[in-house]
Amino acid sequence: SYNLTQPPSVSVSPGQTASITCSGDKLGDKYAYWYQQKPGQSPVLVIYQDNKRPSGIPERFSGSNSGNTATLTISGTQAMDEADYYCQAWDSSTVVFGGGTKLTVL
Amino acid sequence: QVQLVQSGAEVKKPGASVKVSCKASRYTFTGYYMHWVRQAPGQGLEWMGWINGNRGGTNYAQKFQGRVTMTRDTSISTAYMELSRLTSDDTAVYYCALVGATTEWFDPWGQGTLVTVSS
Repeated sequence: SYNLTQPPSVSVSPGQTASITCSGDKLGDKYAYWYQQKPGQSPVLVIYQDNKRPSGIPERFSGSNSGNTATLTISGTQAMDEADYYCQAWDSSTVVFGGGTKLTVL
Repeated sequence: QVQLVQSGAEVKKPGASVKVSCKASRYTFTGYYMHWVRQAPGQGLEWMGWINGNRGGTNYAQKFQGRVTMTRDTSISTAYMELSRLTSDDTAVYYCALVGATTEWFDPWGQGTLVTVSS
């Protein structure tokens, strides 16, 4: 089965850039999606098709995907960005999620 | 903007079944896929499967095959997920989420339904 690997945690200082990676075999040949989940809330889509932002998502969120790694980048990180982030991809007709990364802003 | 509203929390005994509903507002099932994702306490997201709103076709994750049944009632824009032979490992928040016919991403998500399995 297809697996996506994320670092369990990432820390960033306010105003700095946070990068969260997602690794999978030839992930660059697929689209990567990213979701933000704050405590007690449902996940929210923040990046689709590698690098597109849904309406309402701040411009500081961006994405890239090449080779075996997709990356979610948050520029000028704010305290409100502290959350769990999950990557997602499709493997044939099944869905795979990464294990999630807890982003701490300190 | 479509909204998904799920049924309330459930407490079940081991061996029982649970059926969770997900009602879509301002939405026709035609051409959409309703997915179900669960999240155990303190854990990540786990995909369970989908049901096609148009023809009712389903695709279940291998882990849940034989134990999960996804159905829908297009007349009331509601999808259902039934999980049988529950164990304590099934204690989780269960989410429904929409994927469009020509899209591949989950948006929106329901508010989640907590299912607790305890004797």
